[in-house]
Amino acid sequence: KQEVTQIPAALSVPEGENLVLNCSFTDSAIYNLQWFRQDPGKGLTSLLLIQSSQREQTSGRLNASLDKSSGRSTLYIAASQPGDSATYLCAVGLGSKLTFGKGITLSVRP
Amino acid sequence: GAGVSQTPSNKVTEKGKYVELRCDPISGHTALYWYRQSLGQGPEFLIYFQGTGAADDSGLPNDRFFAVRPEGSVSTLKIQRTERGDSAVYLCASSSRTDTQYFGPGTRLTVL
Repeated sequence: KQEVTQIPAALSVPEGENLVLNCSFTDSAIYNLQWFRQDPGKGLTSLLLIQSSQREQTSGRLNASLDKSSGRSTLYIAASQPGDSATYLCAVGLGSKLTFGKGITLSVRP
Repeated sequence: GAGVSQTPSNKVTEKGKYVELRCDPISGHTALYWYRQSLGQGPEFLIYFQGTGAADDSGLPNDRFFAVRPEGSVSTLKIQRTERGDSAVYLCASSSRTDTQYFGPGTRLTVL
C-alpha cells in the first residue's frame, strides 16, 4: 500500500526566504506526482504536476522535482511571501487515484 | 471558466439520516473523483468515474456509501444511515487527459 509522508508538519519562515518542502513515498511505481495548496476551509489548488518520466516542473517561483527511484519529491519556493502561507500537500498518482500526504502547514512571517 | 462546484457547502444532519452531496465537474471533463478529508489529514480516495461508470470504487468505506453519475456529468455521493465518524469534508475533483485533478471547494458534513 502506497504511503506518502511529509515532514515537518508545520514550518514558519521569515518573508523572503527560499525554502524546500519535502515529500516521500514508499512505492516508486507511480504515474505522476502532484503538489497542491490548500487554504484554511478551502478546497485544493493544483500547483504542479510531474509525470513519472519527468524530473522537474516549474511555475513562477515554484519548482518541483521528482526522484522516483528514491521515492522523493521536493517543492522549492523562491523568495517566500506572506501570501504563500497555506498547507501544501503532495499526492502520488497511480491509475485513477491520488494518495495524499498529510501536508505541511507553511507560515511566512512579514 | 467555471471550476468544479459542490453543493451544499455545509451539511448538518443527525445520526442515522440519509444525505446526498452533489458535484458539478468542469465542463468536458470525463473523469470525476470523490475524496474525503478528515481534520488534519490529507484527502482519502473514495471513488472514480470515467464517464457514467464507476471505474474504481475501492475507497468506499462500506455499503452505506454509494455514488452515481447517470449522464456522465453531475455526480451525487449518497450516504445512508449516517454515523458520527462520517463527519468530514467531502471533496470532488475532475480531470481531462492532462491528469491534473481540479478540486471543488468541498462539502463539510457534520453528523450530530
